[in-house]
This record gives sequence, structure tokens and C-alpha cells, in this order.
Amino acid sequence: AQTVTQSQPEMSVQEAETVTLSCTYDTSESDYYLFWYKQPPSRQMILVIRQEAYKQQNATENRFSVNFQKAAKSFSLKISDSQLGDAAMYFCAYRSAYSGYALNFGKGTSLLVTP
Amino acid sequence: SQTIHQWPATLVQPVGSPLSLECTVEGTSNPNLYWYRQAAGRGLQLLFYSVGIGQISSEVPQNLSASRPQDRQFILSSKKLLLSDSGFYLCAWSGGLPRETQYFGPGTRLLVL
Repeated sequence: AQTVTQSQPEMSVQEAETVTLSCTYDTSESDYYLFWYKQPPSRQMILVIRQEAYKQQNATENRFSVNFQKAAKSFSLKISDSQLGDAAMYFCAYRSAYSGYALNFGKGTSLLVTP
Repeated sequence: SQTIHQWPATLVQPVGSPLSLECTVEGTSNPNLYWYRQAAGRGLQLLFYSVGIGQISSEVPQNLSASRPQDRQFILSSKKLLLSDSGFYLCAWSGGLPRETQYFGPGTRLLVL
């Protein structure tokens, strides 16, 4: 099974600054999908951004962007102009394009945003 | 637009009691449906998924079962709860293709005492 690793259990950023959350994954597949989900204190999982492995262009959604390095199996999330509402747990997830239906999640990074 | 509901939001149950958690989706037809569990301080683990009415696949052996009696209804059950069943249970839906994003419901907090 594919494994997803988030090496930063906690991160902190000041309001209006930029922060990058790291994610690496282990796979032998050539096609797959990668996701970042946000889990605020309410605990509902909210999609932040997704990336198809066959696309070389990095995905962007407003203040959120990714740095997808396929050869390095790295998928980091950059949050620009951080806001207090960005404080949450962030989970990186992998889904195979070939087999199974599961999203394989990392253990998450807790992001604290300070005024 | 699509909406996913879960109830109850919170549940406290004694060991050995039965369990029924319900999930319903609005605004879409023939979705794939999923049950995930999140243990404290960890990511999510897929428990069951369903690609259609009456079609259930289990990802991990456990004390739980799932059923899909209607197209947009997914139920998680247990005949006798264990302490280890405590956790946060999330239902999700997606379209039928692997590239489809999974969207999650608000979740149910289950505490087994």
C-alpha cells in the first residue's frame, strides 16, 4: 500500500505571512491523484486542493498552491497571506488511479496562525 | 449542489450495545459512498465503500458492518460495540471514477464506555 508521510506535526505562521507544509509519498504507480484536506476544530474534512500526477502544472486555488515534484515524490502545500481562519489540521492524501477506492492519508500537520 | 449529512453528531454508548450511524447524500445520483474512521491524532482509515445499492466492500476486518439500502443512504452498524470502536467516523461521497474527489460529511463522534 502507498504510504504518505507528513514530517511536520506542527507548524506556526504569522498572519499575512506564507507557510509551506510538506508531504512525501511512496508509490510505484505512474498515475495517481494527490489531495490536501483541511480539518478545522469542527473536524469536518474540507478539500483544499488536488493534483493529477499526469499534469506537470502545479495546482492553484486562490491563496493555496502546491509544489508537485513527481520524481522526488513530494507534494507540498503553500499558503500565502495566511489568515486566522487557516488554523487547522492539514492532511495530505493519495489515491491510486488504478486500484482501490481508498484515500491514503498522512498523519497531518497542525497549523497555528498567530496575529 | 451536493450535500452530505451524518447523524447523530455525537454518541456515547456502553460496551456491548448496538450501533447505527447514518449518512445521506443529496443532489447527486449513484454516488460512491465511503465510511472512514479517524482515531485520535491520526489520519483517516477507510472502513467500507459502496459503488451501488447493496454493494459493500470492506477494507479492514473489524467489529463493524455497513449497508446501503438506498442509492444515497449509507449505514454503519455494529451488533456489540467494543472500547476500541471509539473514534470519529466520517462518511464521504464521490463520483464513480478514480479521479473523482471525495467530499466528506460533518462526522460522528463515538465514545464507547
